[in-house]
Amino acid sequence: DAGITQSPRYKITETGRQVTLMCHQTWSHSYMFWYRQDLGHGLRLIYYSAAADITDKGEVPDGYVVSRSKTENFPLTLESATRSQTSVYFCASAVRGSGQETQYFGPGTRLLVL
Amino acid sequence: AQKITQTQPGMFVQEKEAVTLDCTYDTSDQSYGLFWYKQPSSGEMIFLIYQGSYDEQNATEGRYSLNFQKARKSANLVISASQLGDSAMYFCAMREPYNQGGKLIFGQGTELSVKP
Repeated sequence: DAGITQSPRYKITETGRQVTLMCHQTWSHSYMFWYRQDLGHGLRLIYYSAAADITDKGEVPDGYVVSRSKTENFPLTLESATRSQTSVYFCASAVRGSGQETQYFGPGTRLLVL
Repeated sequence: AQKITQTQPGMFVQEKEAVTLDCTYDTSDQSYGLFWYKQPSSGEMIFLIYQGSYDEQNATEGRYSLNFQKARKSANLVISASQLGDSAMYFCAMREPYNQGGKLIFGQGTELSVKP
């Protein structure tokens, strides 16, 4: 299916475990982003990528790792999950300079860390 | 630093009436973009409308229009003829210049409730 997908949609894990959230887009957009959404904080940027093999930190990168070996995939890894990483995670992609610019969001992954 | 402010935590509107959701922003950049997203209770982020900083005309998308006042640094969303399905959280966001990463900075959101 065309668009931007995230997997899993729901995840329960335990403190200290490694978790990887997947993000895949079919548009070949150069820009991709990971946000987390928490009550009281709105959406905050974790990491972003301007192209394959180019990534940079956002506002709240600690405890997360990203990679982007292919344009269409942008996985987010929690190296050792903590309860404070319980959140809803959104992946987004964007194309630059199209005139009608936008960032398209995936459906989100709800993560619970016990 | 860039900042987005939505001063209305919650709003009520009668079905079929128009409603304006406020958004002000702060930036020293000349090139930026302004977005509005809708987040229904199901959780997905739905793109509504975009305004580029150099666009002279206000953006419109169906029942949505963006009242862009650059000198006042405001980008209010106007929803005409409200429908029950418009009940949701609405987020204003500003895109930084792409040479700074092109990331979005979000406001805290406004929860809109449409009354029948």
